[in-house]
Amino acid sequence: QKEVEQDPGPLSVPEGAIVSLNCTYSNSAFQYFMWYRQYSRKGPELLMYTYSSGNKEDGRFTAQVDKSSKYISLFIRDSQPSDSATYLCAMNRWAYGNNRLAFGKGNQVVVIP
Amino acid sequence: NAGVTQTPKFQVLKTGQSMTLQCAQDMNHEYMSWYRQDPGMGLRLIHYSVGAGITDQGEVPNGYNVSRSTTEDFPLRLLSAAPSQTSVYFCASTSPGTGTEAFFGQGTRLTVV
Repeated sequence: QKEVEQDPGPLSVPEGAIVSLNCTYSNSAFQYFMWYRQYSRKGPELLMYTYSSGNKEDGRFTAQVDKSSKYISLFIRDSQPSDSATYLCAMNRWAYGNNRLAFGKGNQVVVIP
Repeated sequence: NAGVTQTPKFQVLKTGQSMTLQCAQDMNHEYMSWYRQDPGMGLRLIHYSVGAGITDQGEVPNGYNVSRSTTEDFPLRLLSAAPSQTSVYFCASTSPGTGTEAFFGQGTRLTVV
């Protein structure tokens, strides 16, 4: 079983819809949970991160972590065509000097005007 | 503000050839890593380094070699290219502390024929 599971299926939504993405994981030692956004032919960029369980909001983006279920989610409200990208979840267990990230496979999101 | 610079951006190799993908960062980060990204497979860690002179294998290290003689540079060497190494390669440099923010280069698109 991979440490991080993210169903890599593409997602097409109309502009203004809510986008919901999720990942599950198996390593209970993970402490930090991240979402990266990757535009076509670019490297991934950090969108937001959460420490331990709970919610975090940043504008139209909300990240949720449920450590008891080993489940994380990303919600995009009022989606815009500029949100069209691949979204990858990532997580780590911080250890001094070792910042190894475990990534999901990514979801390609297309927001249709 | 260069961040992480990868060269070349594109490369075509013949089976059996060797080459080095270059990666340089100007953020003085200790932790650097190399990933390959293939459709439906997500980002897979090839090798990583926690500082100058220290490297270690990731999940798909076979056929690749790395060294880290300086903090800034982390080259990836393909020893004898195979078609299975056709992929997009990303170098990343991770900020210290929580290790949540990895800064990625623009990627190298490698085709092995």
